[in-house]
Amino acid sequence: NSKVIQTPRYLVKGQGQKAKMRCIPEKGHPVVFWYQQNKNNEFKFLINFQNQEVLQQIDMTEKRFSAECPSNSPCSLEIQSSEAGDSALYLCASSHANSDYTFGSGTRLLVI
Amino acid sequence: GDSVTQTEGLVTLTKGLPVMLNCTYQTTYSPFLFWYVQHLNEAPKLLLKSSTDNKRTEHQGFYATLHKSSSSFHLQKSSVQLSDSALYFCALSGASSGSWQLIFGSGTQLTVMP
Repeated sequence: NSKVIQTPRYLVKGQGQKAKMRCIPEKGHPVVFWYQQNKNNEFKFLINFQNQEVLQQIDMTEKRFSAECPSNSPCSLEIQSSEAGDSALYLCASSHANSDYTFGSGTRLLVI
Repeated sequence: GDSVTQTEGLVTLTKGLPVMLNCTYQTTYSPFLFWYVQHLNEAPKLLLKSSTDNKRTEHQGFYATLHKSSSSFHLQKSSVQLSDSALYFCALSGASSGSWQLIFGSGTQLTVMP
């Protein structure tokens, strides 16, 4: 069982709807990552946080996603207005150094 | 920028045969390399990792050696099993970005036949 907990496991949304997913990182891991894995199994980095601060994010994330990692609450990633192309597996990972990354089981989003 | 290349998209083998999955990388920093295995509908799980040049690392019958001279970290197993059928990803810790981002290769689907 993964030490990174992601909810929900599956999410179905209509185009234009908001889609929100959550992640509880592994205890003691200050860095949290979100990746999108598409149907071709390619990974796209979306954003990462160290403690509550954004370290890096891609342009798409900045424009269309809302993400946060508040202290003492799950991290979250929300698509403000879902598009069909957003259908993918969203993976959360946490790390305490560049040598140790743990992935959650993912949230599979389907936008219809 | 940093990058990882996996040349085989699909590898199909008969049980008991050896396998080598290729992984090469590009980075201007001291690399930390990983192999992850992802079974259907599951999270990627760490299989191997290394940052030490020319030292073999092993886990669950799989092994790999980081060769900085050739920028390679190929995954090998001497005798594959049916349960080894999965997606295998090579990844590099993106030190150059300063954000600890994992850079993934495109993945290799390994299918083991009876």
